[in-house]
Amino acid sequence: DQQVKQNSPSLSVQEGRISILNCDYTNSMFDYFLWYKKYPAEGPTFLISISSIKDKNEDGRFTVFLNKSAKHLSLHIVPSQPGDSAVYFCAASRNTGKLIFGQGTTLQVKP
Amino acid sequence: DTAVSQTPKYLVTQMGNDKSIKCEQNLGHDTMYWYKQDSKKFLKIMFSYNNKELIINETVPNRFSPKSPDKAHLNLHINSLELGDSAVYFCASSQDPRSSYNEQFFGPGTRLTVL
Repeated sequence: DQQVKQNSPSLSVQEGRISILNCDYTNSMFDYFLWYKKYPAEGPTFLISISSIKDKNEDGRFTVFLNKSAKHLSLHIVPSQPGDSAVYFCAASRNTGKLIFGQGTTLQVKP
Repeated sequence: DTAVSQTPKYLVTQMGNDKSIKCEQNLGHDTMYWYKQDSKKFLKIMFSYNNKELIINETVPNRFSPKSPDKAHLNLHINSLELGDSAVYFCASSQDPRSSYNEQFFGPGTRLTVL
């Protein structure tokens, strides 16, 4: 029972263009959503988060959008840079400390 | 300054052995976690401790036993290792998990290979 799903295992974009990573969830009780970035042989690094009371949160080149009615969130990276190439995980929690992760999307940004 | 550190980074061992993985955080967080990333790359929580008290215990075999000597350390001991235990194990920490803003900080991972 995968409550958080990232249906695209990989994404390739050109440097300077927008990267859009998507995430769907099934549990309407989730109240906090996070995106993590992971390089090979390293642990996930927190990137950006959003509370369920908001529909958008922006931090520099990174923006997360939340559509609660659709149970969907997305991460926009503009402009994409080669250093953004990594695996991106979305995660959700419901006030218990337990993060439920998606299976990750591998982003490749081509120079 | 490493915020969350794990030792060892790599661990290769035979089936049936007992091994431990250590984790330390210097962020002053109250809560620590163990996650397992399997061959399909799913990251799943195993345990969580808050101020040395076990608060999350997922359906993990009894062969896995976490130990938290203090709130800065959370170790994972695994008895009678099996082939299926091969995975990358990540330690993480955060402030109060009951807060909605539960950003967890991860260690670099320990790649366990059971032969």
